[in-house]
Amino acid sequence: DIVMTQSPDSLAVSLGERATIICKSSQSVLYSSNNKNYLAWYQQKPGQPPKLLFYWASIRESGVPDRFSGSGSGTDFTLTISSLQAEDVAVYYCQQYYSTPQTFGQGTKVEIK
Amino acid sequence: EVQLVESGGGLVQPGGSLRFSCAASGFTFSNYWMSWVRQAPGKGLEWVASINQDGSEKYYVDSVKGRFTISRDNAKNSLYLQMNIVRGEDTAVYYCARRSLVAGFDYWGQGTLVTVSS
Repeated sequence: DIVMTQSPDSLAVSLGERATIICKSSQSVLYSSNNKNYLAWYQQKPGQPPKLLFYWASIRESGVPDRFSGSGSGTDFTLTISSLQAEDVAVYYCQQYYSTPQTFGQGTKVEIK
Repeated sequence: EVQLVESGGGLVQPGGSLRFSCAASGFTFSNYWMSWVRQAPGKGLEWVASINQDGSEKYYVDSVKGRFTISRDNAKNSLYLQMNIVRGEDTAVYYCARRSLVAGFDYWGQGTLVTVSS
């Protein structure tokens, strides 16, 4: 199974400041035949189901604010919130869909400092 | 509007069985892979099972293989999960999720809580 490890487990960022979350996979999730990284990011607010933010590591889902960005390739990925807003308080998860079982990172809790 | 509504969760004793469902609306259900993803109380997300459009392909996480069965009824726009020989570690909120036509789970239900306890 591919193990997804996120860091940090939690972070507190001031409003308007940058938040950066790292996701590392235990093996590459880059499929060489199409040069796509099989990596998604989700946001989960308290009491709500997860919401898809990015797929193919960096393709923003419709409706996701552009202060969110996804990057990385192979085994190392980053989710960045360029200017944290109050509504961004949530737990963020990365997920690989390169192989079965699909696996999620343990989550990163983002709070306001 | 796409909607996924789970129902049928509840309390079940260890070793028992439970079947719950997800009613889909607002899209052509038969065109999509569907999945179950669970979240134990206070914990992260765990993919449980997926089924293809016509039900001919099914995949499971190892911890539920042989105990859980995913199925669907395209005529009823419904997804199901049959849980047998349940264990305490199966206690979780179970989410029904649609796999987008591109990638990722783009729609999720609100979840149904399954509690395994005597």
